[in-house]
Amino acid sequence: EAGVTQFPSHSVIEKGQTVTLRCDPISGHDNLYWYRRVMGKEIKFLLHFVKESKQDESGMPNNRFLAERTGGTYSTLKVQPAELEDSGVYFCASSPGTFTEQFFGPGTRLTVL
Amino acid sequence: GENVEQHPSTLSVQEGDSAVIKCTYSDSASNYFPWYKQELGKGPQLIIDIRSNVGEKKDQRIAVTLNKTAKHFSLHITETQPEDSAVYFCAALRGNEKLTFGTGTRLTIIP
Repeated sequence: EAGVTQFPSHSVIEKGQTVTLRCDPISGHDNLYWYRRVMGKEIKFLLHFVKESKQDESGMPNNRFLAERTGGTYSTLKVQPAELEDSGVYFCASSPGTFTEQFFGPGTRLTVL
Repeated sequence: GENVEQHPSTLSVQEGDSAVIKCTYSDSASNYFPWYKQELGKGPQLIIDIRSNVGEKKDQRIAVTLNKTAKHFSLHITETQPEDSAVYFCAALRGNEKLTFGTGTRLTIIP
């Protein structure tokens, strides 16, 4: 069974540009989560989808971040326009239920110059 | 909201020795405490977890202990091996709310 996949693995962009990260969860997992780890700090929750609905988006930093999960399958996280402080590793995770193990993808390392 | 502190940030142990990583949490209502291991180039992977109705759980060389009164939990790795080298994260969760992670511990096993 394929795990959680994320694309791209790395992205280097300039301040002010737009970047879109993609996450494909494990097939059949209704719950999808986005997290971010800024260098040396904790992994911070960004938001949680249940199917195509946003269950909790309390961790989204500001309105420059937009997450979607059309059709309840893959999800995208768009940053527009990117700022220097957006640099970090963005992880996606999925789980079959809300109170069950979350399976993480390998992450996308975003560098904003 | 919940706050999780993790210590130490780095830890080096001789192969075969034991390693202990400690975490404290702030929200007494948290009831699920997973530990994740992140190897280079990979995402965090769950290695063991404990729920608040249990004080200790063991899986081969890995064990987790939970002290609800003091609001702290620890990861114990015995007979460490080179493949145990990784970054370890603790986390806490209340009900079906979001996971709150610690800042991570980089564990290095010295051959």
